Amino acid sequence: EAQVTQNPRYLITVTGKKLTVTCSQNMNHEYMSWYRQDPGLGLRQIYYSMNVEVTDKGDVPEGYKVSRKEKRNFPLILESPSPNQTSLYFCASSPRTASSYEQYFGPGTRLTVT
Amino acid sequence: DAKTTQPTSMDCAEGRAANLPCNHSTISGNEYVYWYRQIHSQGPQYIIHGLKNNETNEMASLIITEDRKSSTLILPHATLRDTAVYYCIVRVQGTYKYIFGTGTRLKVLA
Repeated sequence: EAQVTQNPRYLITVTGKKLTVTCSQNMNHEYMSWYRQDPGLGLRQIYYSMNVEVTDKGDVPEGYKVSRKEKRNFPLILESPSPNQTSLYFCASSPRTASSYEQYFGPGTRLTVT
Repeated sequence: DAKTTQPTSMDCAEGRAANLPCNHSTISGNEYVYWYRQIHSQGPQYIIHGLKNNETNEMASLIITEDRKSSTLILPHATLRDTAVYYCIVRVQGTYKYIFGTGTRLKVLA
């Protein structure tokens, strides 16, 4: 089944403890992206990647890192999480470079930083 | 940055057409308009996209004005399962950044 998977789905952590949220897609898509969603603010793009080893900042990249060493994986890294990064996170992938193709979203990761 | 404006919420009677408007006055000539919807806190689901011409698929129709400054998503026969938040988005010119905005919360009433 074609899908985008995220792990973990739920995570509660403490301020400053490094964490990684994994994202994997099995559709051989070139484009992958991370979003966060907060009440009243909709979805905001954090980082995106157009292909292996090619990443760029979205609208709200501060406090996050990403890497794209393999085509299928695009992990989101929080080196030193803070409470303002408590949010619902979505990973998405798309074929080609997303110029005219839809993005497929994962199920989401709900992160709480205390 | 490319930006969209949508009404915060709308109601629609079950079985009737739902018409969701979107303004995107800063869209550039080669940028597509995309529509997604999100049910509860699930991952957004793609609905349709278009550039200049009107588009139709099994889920919806998309009407884009001639000047491309606005568009309307049409769900021809809304059902209770269409209750969701609908996002109209465009890509920031020259990049692959997407601006989602806060969307329209559509409530389909029985």
